[in-house]
Order: sequence, then C-alpha cells, then structure tokens
Amino acid sequence: DAGVIQSPRHEVTEMGQEVTLRCKPISGHNSLFWYRQTMMRGLELLIYFNNNVPIDDSGMPEDRFSAKMPNASFSTLKIQPSEPRDSAVYFCASSLGGQGAIYGYTFGSGTRLTVV
Amino acid sequence: KNQVEQSPQSLIILEGKNCTLQCNYTVSPFSNLRWYKQDTGRGPVSLTIMTFSENTKSNRRYTATLDADTKQSSLHITASQLSDSASYICVVSASAHNNAGNMLTFGGGTRLMVKP
Repeated sequence: DAGVIQSPRHEVTEMGQEVTLRCKPISGHNSLFWYRQTMMRGLELLIYFNNNVPIDDSGMPEDRFSAKMPNASFSTLKIQPSEPRDSAVYFCASSLGGQGAIYGYTFGSGTRLTVV
Repeated sequence: KNQVEQSPQSLIILEGKNCTLQCNYTVSPFSNLRWYKQDTGRGPVSLTIMTFSENTKSNRRYTATLDADTKQSSLHITASQLSDSASYICVVSASAHNNAGNMLTFGGGTRLMVKP
C-alpha cells in the first residue's frame, strides 16, 4: 500500500494566484481529512469528509478555501486567491471509521505551500 | 473547551539517554489518546493509541502511560537514538454526540533533539 499520496510536495506561488492541492487516500478508507500545520498554531483540522460528503468544514479559514471529494480516491483543497498568511504545510489524512478511528488513521507527507 | 497541553516544548538529550514527554488534556468525554512522531518534512506517524482502560502500552523503545483520572499521559523513550530526533504530538479523541464522529484535539508537540 502506497499510503496517503499528496501532490505537489512543494508549491511556491505569488499572492493572488489560485493554488490546488491534491490527495489520494488509502484505498478502502471512508474518511478523509485536510489539516494545516504552522509553527504558531500546530496542526489544525480544516475539513473532514465521510463517504465523499463534507461533514465538518468549521475549520476552513474563509471563503477563499474550498475542498472537494468527487470520488472515494481523490480530493482537492483549493485556495483562491492565495495570500502570504496561507503559507503552511497542508496534510491530508485518511481513516476507516472517522476521526476517532482507533486504527488506520494515516497522514500523507504533506504539501509545503509558500505564498510570496 | 477541549485542550491538550504538552511539555516540554523542546528537549535536547544525549544519545543513549532516556527521556519522558508529558501530555495533559481537558478533553471530554474521552475516547482515546494517541502519540505521533513527526520527522522533519514528513507527516505524523502513529506510535501508540490508548483507550480509557489502558494504563501502559509499549512499542519497542517507546512506552506510553495514561492516567484517565488526572487526565495525563506520558511518552517515555528508552536508550534514545539519533533517529528519535523529531516532534512528538499528543492527540486526544473525544466521543462526539452527533453524526460528525469523534473529534480530535492536537497538542502543540514536543520537539526532541538527540545529540551524539
């Protein structure tokens, strides 16, 4: 199993540009999570999908952020327009059984986003 | 408000020495507690998951303890190795009362550096 696959690993973009981060969860997992990690705030949950349906998006900072999960094997997190304060590492994670799943909660390697 | 506090924020030890990382939480109702290891530039990887009834759990040189009464957990690393240098994150899962599923609360992490 290749684990949770994220792309790109690194993204540098100019302020105002659209950024799209991609995630392929582990096959068979029914829950997918997008997190943002910064030195100041640590790991923060942005949005959580269960069976491709957004369940909790209360962590999405503002309307500039949007996430989709068109099928069980693919999700995107889009920022439009991007701002320098969006610079962070964005992680995708998947699990079988939701946030509280005892086993099978796996993180991807992250996308380091830098907005200049 | 659910909170997870970790101490120390950072720690430097010599190779071969032992160390203990602390995690205090105010998450309720408690479901489980996890310790993750995050290497630089990588996603968090689960070391151990503890449920309410478990007091101690070991994984190779890592031993986690849980005191559900005082809401404290510790991660003890024995005979440290250079490869133990990483951030260690304590994550507590609360049982949810709705279909959103359990909710995770992340600690800020302890950054451990093992020096030769």
